[in-house]
Parts: sequence; C-alpha cells; structure tokens
Amino acid sequence: ETGVTQTPRHLVMGMTNKKSLKCEQHLGHNAMYWYKQSAKKPLELMFVYNFKEQTENNSVPSRFSPECPNSSHLFLHLHTLQPEDSALYLCASSHVGLAVSPAADTQYFGPGTRLTVL
Amino acid sequence: SQQGEEDPQALSIQEGENATMNCSYKTSINNLQWYRQNSGRGLVHLILIRSNEREKHSGRLRVTLDTSKKSSSLLITASRAADTASYFCATDYSGYSTLTFGKGTMLLVSP
Repeated sequence: ETGVTQTPRHLVMGMTNKKSLKCEQHLGHNAMYWYKQSAKKPLELMFVYNFKEQTENNSVPSRFSPECPNSSHLFLHLHTLQPEDSALYLCASSHVGLAVSPAADTQYFGPGTRLTVL
Repeated sequence: SQQGEEDPQALSIQEGENATMNCSYKTSINNLQWYRQNSGRGLVHLILIRSNEREKHSGRLRVTLDTSKKSSSLLITASRAADTASYFCATDYSGYSTLTFGKGTMLLVSP
C-alpha cells in the first residue's frame, strides 16, 4: 500500500442516507486532515487530528462527524447531507512537531472521494 | 481571509514554453508550499520554501519567495503536456501548523 488511501472513490447518496468515508495512511504520520474541495472554491480545511485528538473544527456542520480511532485511520461519517455538500473530499496526513508553534510540514493527500448528494 | 491568491487563474501554453504562476498572501508565514493536482485527484507536493529562503529549485521547477512583497512564484521550464494540472500555493501562517490553500492556477500545456 502506498501513501494515503481513501475509500470509496465515488459515492452517490440521498439526503436521508448515512455513509462513511475512510482514509488510511501508511506513512507513520501523526496528523490527519479532512478537506472539502468544491468547484471554483479554495480547498477548505474541515478537521484536523494530531495524535488522534481533534485540534481543529472549522465551523463544519454537525451532519459531518469525524472519527480518528488511531493515528493511521480517519473516518468522516455523513448523515442528512444537502446537495451543496456534493464535492471532492480529500484526506491528507503529515508529521507535526511538538514545538509550541510548529511549522506545517508537507502534507500527503489521498486520491479523494467524489461525493454526490441527490 | 488569510488564503493565498494565485495568479493567473488559468494559463495556456505550448509544450517547450515556460510557465510562471504567482501567489500572494497576507500575513507572516513560516513556509510556503506548492502543490499540483491532476483533474479530480489528490494534491501532490512539489516544493517547500521557508521564510528565510529566497529561491529553491527542484528539477524543472524554480520557486522564489519575496517576503517583503508577500509573494511567491513558481516557474516550470520546458513544459510538457504531462504538466497540465492545477497548481496551488499553500501558506503556513506563523503561529499555526495548518496550511491555507489558494484557489489555484489551471495550467494547460498543448502538444
């Protein structure tokens, strides 16, 4: 397995469905991220986990629920989504230092899950 | 907003030509990174330049950073059709360990 993997690669769901996106990193990193990429918008950071602890939640609606059971796996649980949630969801991982104000290191991205909400 | 802004939004060139993309940002940074994204795929890291560096090279890539102007440029020399992709700059603002991405420059290299 190489780098960062994401499953599924494509997902179509209705607004009342519940589904989960999965991300796995094989790089020994200690930080994992969920991003949302919509057409003609900058990449939006959704959640950050450092050492399995959530350190950032950028005002993401509660219909998105992250879970990080260990430093290699990250999930995004989806329920009662809206059509405007259709986007490419990208997972990334990196190494984060333990300094008080660590600089961001290189992030390694998975291929993404293309989500369509009907 | 703290995000970087890439310029131009789109760039179309012929194979063999050079491509230059620019990025401007707003506040002090620790480092600035450039990423490439092929259509509908994940981002791939290209190069990282620290705030105390002015220029960096990697193969056909050359990145410059001017902290006084809060800007960076990415030069791809002797471009190839395979360079067709979107290119993003990402800034790591001082005091934060997360990256902020711009909207990207879409580069099309025609054979």
